[in-house]
Amino acid sequence: DAGVIQSPRHEVTEMGQEVTLRCKPISGHDYLFWYRQTMMRGLELLIYFNNNVPIDDSGMPEDRFSAKMPNASFSTLKIQPSEPRDSAVYFCASTGTAIANYGYTFGSGTRLTVV
Amino acid sequence: QKEVEQDPGPLSVPEGAIVSLNCTYSNSAFQYFMWYRQYSRKGPELLMYTYSSGNKEDGRFTAQVDKSSKYISLFIRDSQPSDSATYLCAMSFKAAGNKLTFGGGTRVLVKP
Repeated sequence: DAGVIQSPRHEVTEMGQEVTLRCKPISGHDYLFWYRQTMMRGLELLIYFNNNVPIDDSGMPEDRFSAKMPNASFSTLKIQPSEPRDSAVYFCASTGTAIANYGYTFGSGTRLTVV
Repeated sequence: QKEVEQDPGPLSVPEGAIVSLNCTYSNSAFQYFMWYRQYSRKGPELLMYTYSSGNKEDGRFTAQVDKSSKYISLFIRDSQPSDSATYLCAMSFKAAGNKLTFGGGTRVLVKP
């Protein structure tokens, strides 16, 4: 299994531009999580899906952020318009119902820099 | 106050020493406890998990949970430079909808 796959690994964009981050979860996992990590705030849960349905988006910082999961093997996190304070590492993680309480598998992250 | 507290470090130890890490938490509902290791510029990887109270050992790693004190620990014996990383604790409970709550992480440096 290739694990959780995120793209791109690095993204540098100008303020005001749209940014789309992508994630492919592990096959068979029915939970998908989007996290943001910064030095100041650590790992923050933004949104998570179960069976492609958003369950909790209370961590999404504002309306500029949106996430979709059109099918079991693909999810996107979009920021429009982007701002310098959105600079962070964004992680996607997945797990299965039977193992969810025993941990997630994280992707390698997308390092976003907004200038 | 955060739900899960963890000293950010850095914790610097000589090679071969025992590394002692801990987290305190406020929500008594937590029943599943995990430790993740995160190398620089990588995603967190699951190191160990325990359910409820007690100890669990895996090679050089020992995880302890004291629910009465709301305190969990991770010990690394015979530490190696390759153990240099950030260690994050995480916890959850069934009614949380499989949502993990993470500590802020402790950075560990093992010097050769």
